[in-house]
Amino acid sequence: GENVEQHPSTLSVQEGDSAVIKCTYSDSASNYFPWYKQELGKGPQLIIDIRSNVGEKKDQRIAVTLNKTAKHFSLHITETQPEDSAVYFCAPFHSGTYKYIFGTGTRLKVLA
Amino acid sequence: SAVISQKPSRDICQRGTSLTIQCQVDSQVTMMFWYRQQPGQSLTLIATANQGSEATYESGFVIDKFPISRPNLTFSTLTVSNMSPEDSSIYLCSVDGLSGRDTDTQYFGPGTRLTVL
Repeated sequence: GENVEQHPSTLSVQEGDSAVIKCTYSDSASNYFPWYKQELGKGPQLIIDIRSNVGEKKDQRIAVTLNKTAKHFSLHITETQPEDSAVYFCAPFHSGTYKYIFGTGTRLKVLA
Repeated sequence: SAVISQKPSRDICQRGTSLTIQCQVDSQVTMMFWYRQQPGQSLTLIATANQGSEATYESGFVIDKFPISRPNLTFSTLTVSNMSPEDSSIYLCSVDGLSGRDTDTQYFGPGTRLTVL
């Protein structure tokens, strides 16, 4: 089955610095690539997504880049703020099986 | 995005008992899913809740342990049966296929935190 890994598993940055989280997947048929943010005690919240026909998408301080050939996509957060502290999950989607496979998660801590 | 609510938000149960978790969406959706998230772990899909038919379960999950109902396009329940401490987890409902919106975009409820003693 699909294997989805995230790196790093934990990440600490100073407020104002950038953070990058990488998601590597194994199923080349995946065609939709979302990132979710989960704060303590809450359900995951979609923060940005990208489809397989584009290489990059940006929304204010958040961006996602996709390399389909290498089978990885990355979350980029610039000018980090303490409220960015959370666990982030990637979840590549395969439209053939209609399933999301969640990555292992990355705990981001932004230090004030 | 949809407004998704779950009841209860948390519960503490005795082993051997059962708990039914409700998921309500404020608009009709095509797909509803149930996930389990064990402490400090990622999300694992339990099953897809199909409207008007039996749920589709993932490997390792069975209907006798996790019976699911989906009587209409806005509501589903998940029952955790004959509970043991190993069932202590967060149970999450998710939806996609919102009317008039992109499919393949999945939204989550707030979760139900279950502790089994």
